[in-house]
Amino acid sequence: GAGVSQSPRYKVAKRGQDVALRCDPISGHVSLFWYQQALGQGPEFLTYFQNEAQLDKSGLPSDRFFAERPEGSVSTLKIQRTQQEDSAVYLCASSNGPGHAFDQPQHFGDGTRLSIL
Amino acid sequence: KQEVTQIPAALSVPEGENLVLNCSFTDSAIYNLQWFRQDPGKGLTSLLLIQSSQREQTSGRLNASLDKSSGRSTLYIAASQPGDSATYLCAVNAAGNKLTFGGGTRVLVKP
Repeated sequence: GAGVSQSPRYKVAKRGQDVALRCDPISGHVSLFWYQQALGQGPEFLTYFQNEAQLDKSGLPSDRFFAERPEGSVSTLKIQRTQQEDSAVYLCASSNGPGHAFDQPQHFGDGTRLSIL
Repeated sequence: KQEVTQIPAALSVPEGENLVLNCSFTDSAIYNLQWFRQDPGKGLTSLLLIQSSQREQTSGRLNASLDKSSGRSTLYIAASQPGDSATYLCAVNAAGNKLTFGGGTRVLVKP
């Protein structure tokens, strides 16, 4: 597609529910990244895929967070047993090259705003 | 651990003035540095990417410089317009697979 697409744009869930957030990267992009952005702050890295391989998940805050990219294109970020501190904007980005490619910018979607009540 | 700082956190200027946004980072071993713009409720729009071997990049009214040895980058926006009002974020790619962001500078250009 023309850009990175994320759905849903907004998600409201009750504490304890599971949620799934979807990311469609730019077609053909090798690398896919998930970030979490709290209100008024810069995004923070969660996890990175190169094709279908999850090469870095060091930013996932707990084992309640799980991400997958089974066919190397669409990715899903799942949060189990949500808590209020999970409320944030979740941003997905993709780039045309491996993560260490020094000349490839990351292109971001509009994010999913998650609110946990 | 890489840390990125942006000062000031907020900036208000009259239309037509030049904008100077500062970004500093603690570890100079980076692959590249990227400047983004974020409008309220939106994702990040990439403005400029400077590779570690470069000292500056230009696009229209935007110019970004990079001084790796001192851990600094500056984004200049010439002849600011009200449409330039947004939050500007800088991010460094140091680990090869993720960006580390500053907290952003919120810019308001008054007509």
